[in-house]
Amino acid sequence: QSVLTQPPSVSGAPGQRVTISCTGSSSNIGAGYDVHWYQQVPGTAPKLLIYGNNNRPSGVPDRFSGSKSGTSASLAITGLQAEDEADYYCQSYDSSLSGRYVFGTGTKVTVL
Amino acid sequence: EVQLVESGGGLVKPGGSLRLSCAGSGFSFSGYNMNWVRQAPGKGLEWVSSITSGSSYINYADSVKGRFTVSRDNAKNSLYLQMNSLRAEDSAVYFCARVGILPGWFDPWGQGTLVTVSS
Repeated sequence: QSVLTQPPSVSGAPGQRVTISCTGSSSNIGAGYDVHWYQQVPGTAPKLLIYGNNNRPSGVPDRFSGSKSGTSASLAITGLQAEDEADYYCQSYDSSLSGRYVFGTGTKVTVL
Repeated sequence: EVQLVESGGGLVKPGGSLRLSCAGSGFSFSGYNMNWVRQAPGKGLEWVSSITSGSSYINYADSVKGRFTVSRDNAKNSLYLQMNSLRAEDSAVYFCARVGILPGWFDPWGQGTLVTVSS
């Protein structure tokens, strides 16, 4: 059902840099709609991490950054910390089928 | 503090109905578009429905269209989701979430309410 594709999992040692890709199409990311990212610790609600492709809400560490190009977007985590172990989802808008919000398939980040 | 609190989840038999509520506080509820998003056990996030601030525009995911109805009462700072003809695949945690500028991002989210459809 997910329209945006993410890798199922990524991992890294503490202090390393990891990236998560989010691949869409010409009706969502490629159409110019912004990409947003959420962090979800299992058993809790998602938390906004990046909005408008590359903006961090107040309180989100600058270790998290986002980018967008063409029909894809990426989330980078630099200086990986144990507390970053969580599920991450990208989100955008899709103009097909009367318009709808769409989420990525989700990526589990494991800190080794 | 901006806060959203869902309620109304529970166990219901296939074909049954349930009404979820979401109470907003700490912000001008009537000025924001609201959404429902669900997450089946062990699965990813799925957008369910959107309603604009004045209820003038409503949209649903194909998976719930014709069975679910979203509404809001701005005087009560509340959002609702009436779920009819429930199926096993509707079992999920249901979150309400605020959206600002359309089409935008979801922030904040409520803590979620669990709906289980089972005989």
